[in-house]
Amino acid sequence: IVMTQSPATLSVSPGERATLSCRASQGIISNLAWYQQKPGQAPRLLIYGASIRATGIPTRFSGSGSGTEFTLTISILQSEDFAVYYCQQYNKWPPTFGQGTKLEIK
Amino acid sequence: EVQLVESGGGVVRPGGSLRLSCAASGFTFDDYGMSWVRQGPGKGLEWVSGINWNGVSTEYVDSVKGRFTISRDNSKNSLYLQMNSLRAEDTAFYHCVRDGTLGFFDPWGQGTLVTVSS
Repeated sequence: IVMTQSPATLSVSPGERATLSCRASQGIISNLAWYQQKPGQAPRLLIYGASIRATGIPTRFSGSGSGTEFTLTISILQSEDFAVYYCQQYNKWPPTFGQGTKLEIK
Repeated sequence: EVQLVESGGGVVRPGGSLRLSCAASGFTFDDYGMSWVRQGPGKGLEWVSGINWNGVSTEYVDSVKGRFTISRDNSKNSLYLQMNSLRAEDTAFYHCVRDGTLGFFDPWGQGTLVTVSS
């Protein structure tokens, strides 16, 4: 299953809202995860089950969607949120990732 | 605290071999499947291989089948990846990850860098 993220780069100002998209090449129900990766760090799980926040993830992060279209929303951007975000499907083996969206400061 | 610490990366010539290790702590290791996920320099993420809790079941991405072997030693809380016939395109950071119940990955180790170059 091919995962396609858009846009490749998103420029947003701190305090504003960011919306990242992920599309699956075939239906994956809600078997989708989102990860955040900061420079020099390992990816960190944010969301699984398309909309369930992982332990310790702030409520400003929310996920939505099912089937083939998914969205990660960051409601009020903080300085620490500027990073690369990846989606991953785990509905069908092998698990596959999107190419990432870089969220940068405007 | 759950921790995954990889080791064993380095520079190797095309056709060479390396063995990666991952030391797990902070959780009951044999309750979980484990995987390796790699990230090429400046590139995205690619799942490479996975193993179930007791090591009986293993899976590989097509590009490494027949060259890589995943294994685990539950008595040592350790995961391994034996990489043979290495190619330039295998150059990447290799992350050890714990499999979530459904197929997502949490947490991730920092990774160990494998560079395949002549």
